[in-house]
Amino acid sequence: AQSVTQLGSHVSVSEGALVLLRCNYSSSVPPYLFWYVQYPNQGLQLLLKYTSAATLVKGINGFEAEFKKSETSFHLTKPSAHMSDATEYFCAVTRYGNKLVFGAGTILRVKS
Amino acid sequence: DTEVTQTPKHLVMGMTNKKSLKCEQHMGHRAMYWYKQKAKKPPELMFVYSYEKLSINESVPSRFSPECPNSSLLNLHLHALQPEDSALYLCASSRASGLLGGYQPQHFGDGTRLSIL
Repeated sequence: AQSVTQLGSHVSVSEGALVLLRCNYSSSVPPYLFWYVQYPNQGLQLLLKYTSAATLVKGINGFEAEFKKSETSFHLTKPSAHMSDATEYFCAVTRYGNKLVFGAGTILRVKS
Repeated sequence: DTEVTQTPKHLVMGMTNKKSLKCEQHMGHRAMYWYKQKAKKPPELMFVYSYEKLSINESVPSRFSPECPNSSLLNLHLHALQPEDSALYLCASSRASGLLGGYQPQHFGDGTRLSIL
């Protein structure tokens, strides 16, 4: 079964610092991978997706992620954190069809 | 503004009540989904409809009854719920996957926060 592991349920960074949220996937073949963001009392918004076209994927709001098959990782990064980035982020995976499996989530805190 | 609209935003019901959650999208998507999200947990898939037919039921209790009356609407009928069913219920939609599989991004609504007394 497909699964993802998000390392760190909480990550804290200073405003302007690099954001790094970690995600490792479990799959015998390269899956489709995604990062979603969820603001309080809202649904999930797609930040970016990996679908084998390119290993470095750029998303919205200045986020990007790199697919590394050798490390089975798909970590999310942003060069400079903004206060508005503070919320929860989910990594997700699917291999076939429409069944999406989410990681446990990482709450990002941004300190001023 | 979200392109997937869910109503109501909040719902409080007793364990003997019958209520329905509604979801609507006008993006021409032919796949629609229900997820359940408990506090501080990730969303968990409940049901998937593809071309208005139920294609995935993740062993959800029968007190939850989905319905897809047309390609734009998705309902979730609730009956005799338990307190542990209190959660945020999210609807999503996407283009249907093609014959060769692949993946189409899912667009989420803002959810219905359900509280069972």
